[in-house]
Amino acid sequence: SYVLTQSPSVSVAPGQTATVTCEGNNIGSRSVHWYQQKPGQAPILVIYYDSDRPSGIPERFSGSKSGNTATLTIARVEAGDEADYYCQLWDSSSEHPMFGGGTKLTVL
Amino acid sequence: QLQLQESGPGLVKSSETLSLTCTVSGASISRIGYYWGWLRQPPGKGLEWIGSIYYSGSTYDNSSLKSRITISVETSKNQFSLKLSSVTAADTAVYYCARHNMMAAGKFDYWGQGTLVTVSS
Repeated sequence: SYVLTQSPSVSVAPGQTATVTCEGNNIGSRSVHWYQQKPGQAPILVIYYDSDRPSGIPERFSGSKSGNTATLTIARVEAGDEADYYCQLWDSSSEHPMFGGGTKLTVL
Repeated sequence: QLQLQESGPGLVKSSETLSLTCTVSGASISRIGYYWGWLRQPPGKGLEWIGSIYYSGSTYDNSSLKSRITISVETSKNQFSLKLSSVTAADTAVYYCARHNMMAAGKFDYWGQGTLVTVSS
């Protein structure tokens, strides 16, 4: 089955840029979505279709893809951005949505 | 504003059936193109999709859970439900319902707050 691989953790100082990556075979041909989950809360969608932002999501959040890697970039990181981030796509071969294992973003 | 709310027992005995309902408000569950999904998250772990249902009753199910899952929809009540049979401690998790937007590459764009279900022996 299709596998999405994320680094377990990323640390960044306030004001700096955080990069969260998601690797998957042939990910370039699939649409990737990103979710933010703060402790004790439900996930919220922060990026869809690789790089689009839902209304209400700050412009500091952006998404991109290159090769077999999708990337969530958070500019000018704030303490409130500390959360787990998950990538997700629809695997048409299995007809399953697939999630990455999640990346914990720590703001130093 | 679309809202989803899970309800059901927070404690289920091992080998019994877990039953949850998701009530949708702010939009019709019968809206064309939108599936309605169940996901779960064991304590300290990542997200796992369980299955999704269309208002017509058509479903997608996680093949690893398929034999134990029943997902149903009640359009008159704007609700959909999950039954998971023969539960074990491994089924202890926060269970979420969400709108599964199959017109938009399968994104989950609205989520319920989640409900913790603990399986006891």
